[in-house]
Amino acid sequence: AQSVSQHNHHVILSEAASLELGCNYSYGGTVNLFWYVQYPGQHLQLLLKYFSGDPLVKGIKGFEAEFIKSKFSFNLRKPSVQWSDTAEYFCAVNSFSGTYKYIFGTGTRLKVLA
Amino acid sequence: DTGVSQNPRHKITKRGQNVTFRCDPISEHNRLYWYRQTLGQGPEFLTYFQNEAQLEKSRLLSDRFSAERPKGSFSTLEIQRTEQGDSAMYLCASSFSAGADTQYFGPGTRLTVL
Repeated sequence: AQSVSQHNHHVILSEAASLELGCNYSYGGTVNLFWYVQYPGQHLQLLLKYFSGDPLVKGIKGFEAEFIKSKFSFNLRKPSVQWSDTAEYFCAVNSFSGTYKYIFGTGTRLKVLA
Repeated sequence: DTGVSQNPRHKITKRGQNVTFRCDPISEHNRLYWYRQTLGQGPEFLTYFQNEAQLEKSRLLSDRFSAERPKGSFSTLEIQRTEQGDSAMYLCASSFSAGADTQYFGPGTRLTVL
């Protein structure tokens, strides 16, 4: 069965620190990969996505993620976090196995201290 | 683009009662998804529609759950004979097509079963 693992459940950083959130998935076929973010009191929204091409994907607000196929990973990075990045981050995978279905990770709650 | 809307935003019900939630997707979106999210977890896929056709249902969706999208526009999710374990946030999302297309999420309906 497909699964998505996010190993960091809670992360606390000071402003200007660098961020890397891990995401690993289990599926051998072709996948599309996503990072969604949920700011406090807001809807889930897309941060970035990968479906083909350059494995280094840039998203909104200075975030980027790298797809490493051999490691089944899609880690999210940001060189310098801001207080406004405080949010919950979800990695998701979707693949065509008969129909398209999205699998989400359990999320990482990030708190950035001013 | 007015976004995905869900009603009601909160529902408190007694065990054994039936509840129905509504989702209005972004108007030009063909695909509509329902998810359930509990505390500390990511969204769990329940079902999705392409236009009016329900293409997939998760094994999480017991016989007490039913979803419809009668005219390929809004959708309803009904839970019959609610149980305390049904307490969760029910999220709706829509997308224009499949695969790598971005899902746009609504604010969710928070269900509490007493």
